[in-house]
Amino acid sequence: AQSVSQHNHHVILSEAASLELGCNYSYGGTVNLFWYVQYPGQHLQLLLKYFSGDPLVKGIKGFEAEFIKSKFSFNLRKPSVQWSDTAEYFCAVNSGGGADGLTFGKGTHLIIQP
Amino acid sequence: NAGVTQTPKFQVLKTGQSMTLQCAQDMNHNSMYWYRQDPGMGLRLIYYSASEGTTDKGEVPNGYNVSRLNKREFSLRLESAAPSQTSVYFCASSEDGGLYNEQFFGPGTRLTVL
Repeated sequence: AQSVSQHNHHVILSEAASLELGCNYSYGGTVNLFWYVQYPGQHLQLLLKYFSGDPLVKGIKGFEAEFIKSKFSFNLRKPSVQWSDTAEYFCAVNSGGGADGLTFGKGTHLIIQP
Repeated sequence: NAGVTQTPKFQVLKTGQSMTLQCAQDMNHNSMYWYRQDPGMGLRLIYYSASEGTTDKGEVPNGYNVSRLNKREFSLRLESAAPSQTSVYFCASSEDGGLYNEQFFGPGTRLTVL
């Protein structure tokens, strides 16, 4: 079974700091990759996704992620974080040919201090 | 469009009680999913339905049953609730179950079993 690892469970940054959240997956075949965000008390929203093509993908709110196939990684980045970025971030992978759902990482709780 | 809706938003049960969580989507999606979210565990797939009339087990199906009532609705039933089922439950849907499968999530149901 495939797995997704998020390296940091809790991250605390100051406003304007740069952000990088790590994500590695175990599946060696074709995958689609996602980053979801969950703001406090809200449901999951899609930040960005990678299906094919340019491995550097841009999402909403200034986030971007880079797919590095050789490293099985899909790290999330943002050059300058804001207090409103405080949230839980989930990396997810879909490698199935059927509707067998996404495999999620355990999440990273990001706190931005003003 | 309302997207994915879930009822109820909150529920408290006693051990042994039963209940059904309701989910509906208005995006004409074929595939629907139920996940549970627990602290430090990310989201784990309980059941999914690739299309109307079909359901399959996910990673953690024990103690749950599902019904794909029609294309719009996918319910999750707890026949005899246990404290281990205390969690936040998310329903999701996607256009189809293929590899290019972006899922849209509902607002969640927070369930406490005493």
